[in-house]
Amino acid sequence: NAGVTQTPKFQVLKTGQSMTLQCAQDMNHEYMSWYRQDPGMGLRLIHYSVGAGITDQGEVPNGYNVSRSTTEDFPLRLLSAAPSQTSVYFCASGSTSGRVGTGELFFGEGSRLTVL
Amino acid sequence: AQKITQTQPGMFVQEKEAVTLDCTYDTSDQSYGLFWYKQPSSGEMIFLIYQGSYDEQNATEGRYSLNFQKARKSANLVISASQLGDSAMYFCAMRVDSSYKLIFGSGTRLLVRP
Repeated sequence: NAGVTQTPKFQVLKTGQSMTLQCAQDMNHEYMSWYRQDPGMGLRLIHYSVGAGITDQGEVPNGYNVSRSTTEDFPLRLLSAAPSQTSVYFCASGSTSGRVGTGELFFGEGSRLTVL
Repeated sequence: AQKITQTQPGMFVQEKEAVTLDCTYDTSDQSYGLFWYKQPSSGEMIFLIYQGSYDEQNATEGRYSLNFQKARKSANLVISASQLGDSAMYFCAMRVDSSYKLIFGSGTRLLVRP
């Protein structure tokens, strides 16, 4: 039962470095998304996708890129890391069909990123 | 724009007692869903309960129930018979049916005392 798998779990970057957070799901979910969690601010949506080749911006997209070439994978790229991107990042997936729709999400374990 | 407000940063409850976590929301859409998630200290996010805007009855899932008051735009989570394992962060969230986006509140940290 892999569910949603995120890697790496921890990462330390220097300002200006680039990196990619990987996310994979094995539930054949159409919907995938990235959130960041900061103290006192809850989870904020960065980008999301409703299928291969389809992505869209969430609440806080600046500084992040995404792509969706397969149903299973949804990587998040930081092109030039900044200290303000220090956060815990969660990938989540869900089905777009049914009554609950994309409100019932399955989350990865999170990736803690520190930018110095 | 949609907004979720949780005004209780932290709460205490005695084991075996009931507790209510507050959530208010703002949207101009008529069709939407309200959700609650639990985040234990281990960090994972766990879906607890869902309430649709057109549901006439309050949602229940085991010891969790959602007190939905549409006119007041509130969707409070009630946990009955609290257990030590209920100690966690709790997030209220909303998704309007015309959108794929799930928007979260800032969360409430619940501590259950033995």
